Amino acid sequence: AQKVTQAQTEISVVEKEDVTLDCVYETRDTTYYLFWYKQPPSGELVFLIRRNSFDEQNEISGRYSWNFQKSTSSFNFTITASQVVDSAVYFCALSEGRTGANNLFFGTGTRLTVIP
Amino acid sequence: EPEVTQTPSHQVTQMGQEVILRCVPISNHLYFYWYRQILGQKVEFLVSFYNNEISEKSEIFDDQFSVERPDGSNFTLKIRSTKLEDSAMYFCASSQSHSNQPQHFGDGTRLSIL
Repeated sequence: AQKVTQAQTEISVVEKEDVTLDCVYETRDTTYYLFWYKQPPSGELVFLIRRNSFDEQNEISGRYSWNFQKSTSSFNFTITASQVVDSAVYFCALSEGRTGANNLFFGTGTRLTVIP
Repeated sequence: EPEVTQTPSHQVTQMGQEVILRCVPISNHLYFYWYRQILGQKVEFLVSFYNNEISEKSEIFDDQFSVERPDGSNFTLKIRSTKLEDSAMYFCASSQSHSNQPQHFGDGTRLSIL
């Protein structure tokens, strides 16, 4: 069965600090996709990144970077030089690679508070 | 940038009443989804829809729930006889294809059952 674990329920950092949000997943599929979504206080879900199981390259996008390690089943997310606008709940999600529409399994989320 | 739109943003309904939540997915997307998020909890999958039929549904999606694509643009979620525990944020999402494309979410409809 698939499972996504975000062990950090809440994190607080001071502005400009770096912060890493952890995500560990479980799946029996060899093909799967991992996602991060941001949910700001306004409540919408904003897509940040998708990574497939065959691509272990780390990715950097501005202040955001992602570290995918199949050996530890982890897909961690780092924000460099955090800003107050980064305050949100961040969800890691997994989609298995079956044919057809594939639903997302979400973790419980990590609430990040960036203190000015 | 095209986006998924949901109406209404907030729906208040008496317990036992029927409610219909509406979504307009991104126009060239083929896969549609409903998720819900009970306050303070994680986002949970309800149902996926492709080619005018349900592809998959979770155990939450019981006989009280139904989905429909009544025309070429709308995608609706109906709850036949609402219960207090149906109070949640309901998100619609769509994707261009299945797992190799990201799902784009609407802003959600907050459903409050009294």
